[in-house]
Amino acid sequence: SQTIHQWPATLVQPVGSPLSLECTVEGTSNPNLYWYRQAAGRGLQLLFYSVGIGQISSEVPQNLSASRPQDRQFILSSKKLLLSDSGFYLCAWSGVENEKLFFGSGTQLSVL
Amino acid sequence: GESVGLHLPTLSVQEGDNSIINCAYSNSASDYFIWYKQESGKGPQFIIDIRSNMDKRQGQRVTVLLNKTVKHLSLQIAATQPGDSAVYFCAESTNSGYSTLTFGKGTMLLVSP
Repeated sequence: SQTIHQWPATLVQPVGSPLSLECTVEGTSNPNLYWYRQAAGRGLQLLFYSVGIGQISSEVPQNLSASRPQDRQFILSSKKLLLSDSGFYLCAWSGVENEKLFFGSGTQLSVL
Repeated sequence: GESVGLHLPTLSVQEGDNSIINCAYSNSASDYFIWYKQESGKGPQFIIDIRSNMDKRQGQRVTVLLNKTVKHLSLQIAATQPGDSAVYFCAESTNSGYSTLTFGKGTMLLVSP
């Protein structure tokens, strides 16, 4: 069966520090991969998605970037965090041409 | 732009009651709808989905109803249990090569024992 791993679960970082969140998927090949952000009390905002290695599409302009160095690995990064980057970050995957998303357990990021 | 929204931000029910969570969508081109459950501090968990060629689909204790005429989606939970307490999100999309799910803001379901 397919599983998705996301870490760390919580992270506290100072303003201006770098960020690296990692997500891996097991049990499937060539998944579509996604990074979402969820602000407190709000819905999910799509940040990035990837349909293949090295292919990244950005949905919103921001201080973050994403990379997909391997088929089942998706990384969310920032060179310098802002206070507004605080939030709950979720990695997700879907099958090819399949709308159903499967989410990771999330990372609660607090930028202080 | 097109969006998905929810009628009730919070729904409080007693254990054993049936719960109904409503959702309105505005994109008439949407052909796929899905409900997720999210417990505090966790990622959303898939509950049930439905395509636009159906108006009802049943799962274990859950039923999703789709009314395309009024662009309305609902999730019915039978015999609600305390473990059902969570935020429920509806989402909609149009068919494409990747997931284009647009999420609503969510409804908090509170189940009292």
